[in-house]
Amino acid sequence: EDQVTQSPEALRLQEGESSSLNCSYTVSGLRGLFWYRQDPGKGPEFLFTLYSAGEEKEKERLKATLTKKESFLHITAPKPEDSATYLCAVQSLYSGGGADGLTFGKGTHLIIQP
Amino acid sequence: NAGVTQTPKFQVLKTGQSMTLQCAQDMNHEYMSWYRQDPGMGLRLIHYSVGAGITDQGEVPNGYNVSRSTTEDFPLRLLSAAPSQTSVYFCASSRGGLGYTFGSGTRLTVV
Repeated sequence: EDQVTQSPEALRLQEGESSSLNCSYTVSGLRGLFWYRQDPGKGPEFLFTLYSAGEEKEKERLKATLTKKESFLHITAPKPEDSATYLCAVQSLYSGGGADGLTFGKGTHLIIQP
Repeated sequence: NAGVTQTPKFQVLKTGQSMTLQCAQDMNHEYMSWYRQDPGMGLRLIHYSVGAGITDQGEVPNGYNVSRSTTEDFPLRLLSAAPSQTSVYFCASSRGGLGYTFGSGTRLTVV
């Protein structure tokens, strides 16, 4: 069974204070690992897809990295508008939920204080 | 482009009532999915479709039906609502099953 564990559950940072969010996963053949951002009352917004260990992707102040067991979302010099819940999900080549299904973690609630 | 459109945004049902949550996408995506999001549980897959006429069950399909008669639409039907189906429901679509675009959600309360 595919599993995704995100840590920490919540993180409060000062504006400009860089940090990292962790996503540990177990999957029977990784098709892709996804990072999403979710604002209150809205649907998840796609950020990145990572396919293989060693891959990195960047977007503004965010950088996602991938190993065989975990992914990190690095936030550099964050601003208050980066406050959101960040979700990690994996898609397995052999998912019991179907080849289409994503298995999500519970998310990290990030607050950036001015 | 509107992306993924879900209606209604809010709904209150009585136990035993039935209803349909609507989902439409205008991106010509072949893959569409329904998820529910509950506090402390994360998003869980209910049903999915890889093209018109093709649907399959996800992790938590009981109490829900789907059909896919067109590429654009993927409605989710609650047959007989139960309080355990109180949740926020998200529809998502993608091309090739990667990089999903999510709708803004339907918040459902069953009393």
